[in-house]
Amino acid sequence: DIQMTQSPSSLSASVGDRVTISCQASQDIGKYLNWYQHEPGKAPKLLIYEASNVETGVPSRFSGSGSGTDFTFTISSLQPEDIATYYCQQYNDLPPYTFGQGTRLEIK
Amino acid sequence: EVHLLESGGGMAQPGGSLRLSCAASGFRFYSYAMTWVRQAPGKGLEWVSGITGSGGDKYYADSVKGRFTISRDNSKNTVYLQMKSLRAEDTAVYYCGKDWSMAVSGCDSWGQGTLVIVSS
Repeated sequence: DIQMTQSPSSLSASVGDRVTISCQASQDIGKYLNWYQHEPGKAPKLLIYEASNVETGVPSRFSGSGSGTDFTFTISSLQPEDIATYYCQQYNDLPPYTFGQGTRLEIK
Repeated sequence: EVHLLESGGGMAQPGGSLRLSCAASGFRFYSYAMTWVRQAPGKGLEWVSGITGSGGDKYYADSVKGRFTISRDNSKNTVYLQMKSLRAEDTAVYYCGKDWSMAVSGCDSWGQGTLVIVSS
C-alpha cells in the first residue's frame, strides 16, 4: 500500500499568517491527492482535489500544489475558523486510499 | 443537497458483530461510489472500505479485510458495513462518504459519523 507522510503533525500560527503543510507519498501518485479539513465532532470537508483544484465553495485562501511524490497545502492568510486537523489522502490506482497522519492547526 | 446519515453504531464485545448503515439523499445514489472511513480515539482518519456505484467492485483496508463486508442497496439509497470478529482496535467513529464518481475515488460529502465501541 502507498504510505503518506504528512508534516508537521501540529502547527501553531497567528491569524493572518501563511500556513504550509507538506505531504509525501511513498511512490509516484501523479496528481491523485486530496486535502480534507476535519473539525472535532463534524464531518470531514473536502478542500482540494487532484492536488490543486479547489472544491466549489471553499475560500480562495486555501490552495494546493505538487505532483508525483511531494505535495503542499497552503492557507494564505490564517483565519480563526480554520482551526482544525488537515489530512492529505492519495487516490492513485486502486484502493486502499491512504490518509496522511494529519496536521493539527492551532491559533497562537 | 447531499445528506448522509449513519446509524447502527454502539457497543459490541470483542469477537462480536455490528452492521452500520448509511442512508443517502439529495443525489442519484446509484451513480456514485461510497466509502467508509473511521477515526479511532486520538488517532487520524483511516480509509476502511469502498464500493462502486453498481456495487460490482468492493475494496478493503488490510486491517479489516476478511472481517468487514461493504454492500449497498440502490433501491433503498443505503450503503452498509457489516463488521464481524470485532476487535478493540475497531473502536472508532465511522463516517460514510459519497465519492465524486461511480468509481471509488475521493469523497466530496460526508456524514456526521456513528460511534462504535468494542469492549468487554
